[in-house]
Amino acid sequence: AQSVSQHNHHVILSEAASLELGCNYSYGGTVNLFWYVQYPGQHLQLLLKYFSGDPLVKGIKGFEAEFIKSKFSFNLRKPSVQWSDTAEYFCAVNGGSQGNLIFGKGTKLSVKP
Amino acid sequence: DTGVSQDPRHKITKRGQNVTFRCDPISEHNRLYWYRQTLGQGPEFLTYFQNEAQLEKSRLLSDRFSAERPKGSFSTLEIQRTEQGDSAMYLCASSFMGAQETQYFGPGTRLLVL
Repeated sequence: AQSVSQHNHHVILSEAASLELGCNYSYGGTVNLFWYVQYPGQHLQLLLKYFSGDPLVKGIKGFEAEFIKSKFSFNLRKPSVQWSDTAEYFCAVNGGSQGNLIFGKGTKLSVKP
Repeated sequence: DTGVSQDPRHKITKRGQNVTFRCDPISEHNRLYWYRQTLGQGPEFLTYFQNEAQLEKSRLLSDRFSAERPKGSFSTLEIQRTEQGDSAMYLCASSFMGAQETQYFGPGTRLLVL
């Protein structure tokens, strides 16, 4: 069955620390990969996406993610987090003709000022 | 703002009552998705439409749930005979079908069944 696994439930960092959130997926075919972010009190927003080509994709607010096909991974990174990055982050995948997204359980990021 | 909108934002109902939620997608989008999200989980797919046709339904969508998109624009999700287990956030997303289809989410309707 298709699934997405996010390694950390809750990550706590100080401002300026580097961030890496893990995401692994199980899917037997060509995949499209997404990271969504949900800031407190707001709706899900697209952070970045990968369809094909350069496996290193850049998103909004200084975030980037790297698709490593051999590891079935799409980890999210940011070199220096800010307090305003406090949010919940969701990794999602779909592929082929499948339109619906399969989400991970999310990682809550708390950044201490 | 011409993003995805949902109404109502919050709904409290008693067990056994029927509820209906509405989603208005981004105007040029031809696909519309419904998801459900419970505490500590990511969104789970319920069903989706391409134009007015309902193309797929998850096994999560019991017989008490029905969704429509009569003119290929807005969509409604109805839950009949609500149960406490239906308490969740119901999310709507829309997209334009294509090679790089990207779904954009609305704010959700939070349902509490007492």
